[in-house]
Amino acid sequence: GAGVSQTPSNKVTEKGKYVELRCDPISGHTALYWYRQSLGQGPEFLIYFQGTGAADDSGLPNDRFFAVRPEGSVSTLKIQRTERGDSAVYLCASSLTGGMYEQYFGPGTRLTVT
Amino acid sequence: TQLLEQSPQFLSIQEGENLTVYCNSSSVFSSLQWYRQEPGEGPVLLVTVVTGGEVKKLKRLTFQFGDARKDSSLHITAAQPGDTGLYLCAGSGGSNYKLTFGKGTLLTVNP
Repeated sequence: GAGVSQTPSNKVTEKGKYVELRCDPISGHTALYWYRQSLGQGPEFLIYFQGTGAADDSGLPNDRFFAVRPEGSVSTLKIQRTERGDSAVYLCASSLTGGMYEQYFGPGTRLTVT
Repeated sequence: TQLLEQSPQFLSIQEGENLTVYCNSSSVFSSLQWYRQEPGEGPVLLVTVVTGGEVKKLKRLTFQFGDARKDSSLHITAAQPGDTGLYLCAGSGGSNYKLTFGKGTLLTVNP
């Protein structure tokens, strides 16, 4: 079956611009996670959705970052007024439900802010 | 804040050699996972260990969880070029869903 897909695979934007990153989880998975992976680092947790609601957004770095999952499936990570420090690979993962279930990761979106 | 330290950061070996990489923390984790990540792809789960002292084997890979559930090791026997990749350990605490990742060990196996 289809895995987690993310679009776009690469995004180059200018400092100060707004970007949206999309994640399509595995069908039937109720839990969805966003992580950010900077160069030479492991993924860093950003936000966790259970269904349509953000159950834990404690990893979002500041209020320029926002994520939605309006119908409990596709999720969009939104970054306003992008900064060069936002450059990273943004990974999305889904799991059958929250808790101790395997998280399946997508290939990520590489964001470059110039 | 729970931190995971992985060592070595880089490892380059010849095909057929054995190796061990380590994942250490001062915190106790309810479970610990090992992932392998290839360039341009997301991490792929290799194993989850949950019990202190647990040993799991996956073909030529042996994973061990420390008795105190603060550390783990991954041993690869007779490494092959296909084992090349970034090996990440990730722990989960009380929440069970939020993973804390180490920085990873970048393994290169030369033919």
